[in-house]
Amino acid sequence: AQTVTQSQPEMSVQEAETVTLSCTYDTSESNYYLFWYKQPPSRQMILVIRQEAYKQQNATENRFSVNFQKAAKSFSLKISDSQLGDTAMYFCAFMNRDDKIIFGKGTRLHILP
Amino acid sequence: DTEVTQTPKHLVMGMTNKKSLKCEQHMGHRAMYWYKQKAKKPPELMFVYSYEKLSINESVPSRFSPECPNSSLLNLHLHALQPEDSALYLCASSQDEQGQDTDTQYFGPGTRLTVL
Repeated sequence: AQTVTQSQPEMSVQEAETVTLSCTYDTSESNYYLFWYKQPPSRQMILVIRQEAYKQQNATENRFSVNFQKAAKSFSLKISDSQLGDTAMYFCAFMNRDDKIIFGKGTRLHILP
Repeated sequence: DTEVTQTPKHLVMGMTNKKSLKCEQHMGHRAMYWYKQKAKKPPELMFVYSYEKLSINESVPSRFSPECPNSSLLNLHLHALQPEDSALYLCASSQDEQGQDTDTQYFGPGTRLTVL
């Protein structure tokens, strides 16, 4: 069975600091997709970043970047220069060949002023 | 434009009521999804429609009835719900017609459902 594990239920960092959210997953498939979604208190699920497993290069979107270690099945999210608007629940997600998303339990991130 | 819209934003209904949730996207996506999300939990997949046909039903009770009238529209008909069905219901879409970005699901803002 495919699983996604986020080991940090909650984190707090000061504004402008860098924070890393961890995610590990388990699968026997060789080709798949990984995502980080953000869900602020407004509850809209927003795509932060996506990574295709067959690509070696780590995905980057502005202040957001991932450290994708395929052999270790690790997919961490780094947020640089954190902002108050980054406060949200962050879900790591894995998509299998059936296009079904498997979500981790989430990490609640608080950016402190 | 990566917008998925959902109506209503909030819905309160009794256990004997019949209501419907609506989801719409105009991105040319060919797959649409319904998720249920309880507080402080990740979304749980309920249904998947691909090219207007139901492709996945995650053993959802029959009191939830999905419908896909066309490729842009997805409904979820509700009947005889229970209080434990109270949750945030999220719609998502994916699979651009031109084959771009086929794997990414884009979510709507959700409908907050309360069953009394």
